[in-house]
Parts: sequence; structure tokens; C-alpha cells
Amino acid sequence: ILNVEQSPQSLHVQEGDSTNFTCSFPSSNFYALHWYRWETAKSPEALFVMTLNGDEKKKGRISATLNTKEGYSYLYIKGSQPEDSATYLCAFRGTDSWGKLQFGAGTQVVVTP
Amino acid sequence: EAGVAQSPRYKIIEKRQSVAFWCNPISGHATLYWYQQILGQGPKLLIQFQNNGVVDDSQLPKDRFSAERLKGVDSTLKIQPAKLEDSAVYLCASSLVAGGTYEQYFGPGTRLTVT
Repeated sequence: ILNVEQSPQSLHVQEGDSTNFTCSFPSSNFYALHWYRWETAKSPEALFVMTLNGDEKKKGRISATLNTKEGYSYLYIKGSQPEDSATYLCAFRGTDSWGKLQFGAGTQVVVTP
Repeated sequence: EAGVAQSPRYKIIEKRQSVAFWCNPISGHATLYWYQQILGQGPKLLIQFQNNGVVDDSQLPKDRFSAERLKGVDSTLKIQPAKLEDSAVYLCASSLVAGGTYEQYFGPGTRLTVT
């Protein structure tokens, strides 16, 4: 994989349900994988920086896992709330970059009451 | 701590006109980034500054885009002349340094519409 790909592009979730989505990235020259949450009309907000294979990070009801050998990361939202509605972006940083992030197109999550 | 500030938040111009965006990073952050996010795509790095020097501008369309970071603090991104395909959100971000796992902190962006 040369690009950073996210799937699905969008998903609708009922309030209270849990959901997850995927970020695929190059499995070579891996340095770090970033997750951001971007709400409409606001600044993208950093969620996690993941660096080690097998890493698991958690922030409230949101968690993420990382598999650098196969080049994917999952982001999970447990018990979705309307305030979780946002676009979730992942960004790959390679060892040959100098802070440069390569972003996926994002997964847009809409949580309905 | 104040976040990354950007202005204007919205701008509508006609093609072939010029436009400028301003960014004020978090105090003390040495690295500043400008990204372009076209609808349906992820943000794409246009230019990266370390203090007032350019680290990476490989994806900046230099025939029409220019950017500067005088005195290593504020930055301005200019488009002259604008094309329809420049319609996008322009995000500014800053980080303490470029290396390591330091986070990039983003401003709210400027939404540009070129008609």
C-alpha cells in the first residue's frame, strides 16, 4: 500500500451503539500513526499518536489499535453519543519524513439519537 | 494556552483573483505547516517551515502559491492567481519541533471558494 486509505468513507450509528473503522498505511518505513477527530467548523483535534506494533490507546470511550507489520489501525467508539459525530482522520508518518504527515481521506461518523 | 489562529475563516473570490491567508502558531512552536484539504480528500501538505526556513515545499504549486514565515512566528500563504481547483480548506498547524512524536496542533482552517 503506497497511500493511506480509510474505510468506510462514512457510517451512521445509532446512539448507544459501538462502531469501528479502519486505516491502512504502508507497512514499510513506519514511524508513527496519528488519529485526529475533526468536527465541522472546528480545528482537527489530536486523539492518539501510535508508534509500537501492538499498541493500544484509549481516551474515554474511544480506543485504537495498531498493527505495523500488516499496515493497519482500527479506531473503536464504544457507546456512541451524538457528540462523537465528526470526521476521523488517520495520518501516517514515515521514517524518511521530517514531521510530514500523509493523511487518509477520513471516515465521517454520524451518530443519531 | 492559546491555539493556532487563522484568518479569515471564509473567503469567496473569482478565478484569477489573489488571496492571502494568515496563521499565528502556538507560542514557542518552531515548526509550522500549511495543508490543503480538497473536499473528499485528506489534508495534503503544501509547505513546512522550521523557524523561518523552508523544510519541505515539494507539493506547493510554486507558479501560483507562495508562503513566508517572517521572524519565525506568523505565516502567510498567498495564491495568485487563483483557479477553480484551489477551492479547498487551508489548514495551518504547528508543532514544538518536527522530529519525534510531537503532535501537530491545527487551526480551524480557511474555507476558500473560487468561482
